[in-house]
Amino acid sequence: GQSLEQPSEVTAVEGAIVQINCTYQTSGFYGLSWYQQHDGGAPTFLSYNALDGLEETGRFSSFLSRSDSYGYLLLQELQMKDSASYFCAVRGHTGGFKTIFGAGTRLFVKA
Amino acid sequence: DSGVTQTPKHLITATGQRVTLRCSPRSGDLSVYWYQQSLDQGLQFLIQYYNGEERAKGNILERFSAQQFPDLHSELNLSSLELGDSALYFCASSVDDRGASHGYTFGSGTRLTVV
Repeated sequence: GQSLEQPSEVTAVEGAIVQINCTYQTSGFYGLSWYQQHDGGAPTFLSYNALDGLEETGRFSSFLSRSDSYGYLLLQELQMKDSASYFCAVRGHTGGFKTIFGAGTRLFVKA
Repeated sequence: DSGVTQTPKHLITATGQRVTLRCSPRSGDLSVYWYQQSLDQGLQFLIQYYNGEERAKGNILERFSAQQFPDLHSELNLSSLELGDSALYFCASSVDDRGASHGYTFGSGTRLTVV
């Protein structure tokens, strides 16, 4: 089957850097994605890694190591508006192509 | 506005009843995905359709069913509702059946409360 593990909560200070880790298990790995969800809102797509290495998009970067079944989301220059839940999602092939989401990491940014 | 439209936004119904949730994908997207999110939980994959055909199934209960119509809108039918079915139901869409590099575009969700 497919499963993901990520920390339930992370707290950081405004202006700091925070890393949210994600480990996964899947058959037929096709990529790891990250989504942001504010309270009461819809998930929004942040990034996607299919190959090993770092992908950078503004203040956010995402890393993947396929050999370790591991990835992380790096948020730099944290702002209060970054307080949200962050989900990693793995696309694999178990009974059809499926994207399975982790339980989410709640990020609290303090002033 | 993400371009994915879900109706209704809120739904309150009694146990044992049946409801239909509707989703119109973003213009040009052929795939529709349904996810269930219970309070403070992750997104549980229910089912995916691509251009009218079922493509993948998750842990969808037998009481639940879905379909995608020729105009690409999709409906999720929930029957014999139980208190535990109370959740936020999201629809997402993508242009292809993989939704990989550009991710999924989510609608704002339907909040279902079963009383």
